[in-house]
Amino acid sequence: GNSVTQMEGPVTLSEEAFLTINCTYTATGYPSLFWYVQYPGEGLQLLLKATKADDKGSNKGFEATYRKETTSFHLEKGSVQVSDSAVYFCALSDPIIGNTDKLIFGTGTRLQVFP
Amino acid sequence: DGGITQSPKYLFRKEGQNVTLSCEQNLNHDAMYWYRQDPGQGLRLIYYSQIVNDFQKGDIAEGYSVSREKKESFPLTVTSAQKNPTAFYLCASSIQLNTEAFFGQGTRLTVV
Repeated sequence: GNSVTQMEGPVTLSEEAFLTINCTYTATGYPSLFWYVQYPGEGLQLLLKATKADDKGSNKGFEATYRKETTSFHLEKGSVQVSDSAVYFCALSDPIIGNTDKLIFGTGTRLQVFP
Repeated sequence: DGGITQSPKYLFRKEGQNVTLSCEQNLNHDAMYWYRQDPGQGLRLIYYSQIVNDFQKGDIAEGYSVSREKKESFPLTVTSAQKNPTAFYLCASSIQLNTEAFFGQGTRLTVV
């Protein structure tokens, strides 16, 4: 079945450091891939997405490239800020109804950025 | 503004009481979802609905019930049969199943 695996956190960085949060997936079809962000006490917000192989999603300085050959969708940011501290979730959706009827989420990775 | 509204943000109930969490969306989305999140944990799907008057159990449906009488509304009832109801509950919607989901701000339920 479909699944998403994220690196365990917390990831602790100093401000302006480079960020990578790894995400790999297993899917029987050709899924769309997403990164969501959750700030403390809030719901999830869609950060970026990619719908086909080699697509790059980007938003707010974050980027992720859909790599079908490595089944990965790693999240990167060149220079993190304290305000980026949050929990990040990788997710996939399989567009073929019947393969799975719902979004599949990873377990989340907490990012802590210190000044 | 379009979006998903969950109410209330915080809810306290005594053990043994049923409680209903509200979720309303004005995005004209067909699909809606309820997730549960425990501290330091990921999201677990409780129920989802593809269309009005239809809903399906998710991974942890026991002790919960839902209804989908209107497209805009997908209330979740946490019953007394749910053994550990204290959690953060998230409602979401999407244009259709398996497309990107948009989330509400969540309801934190505490049962004492």
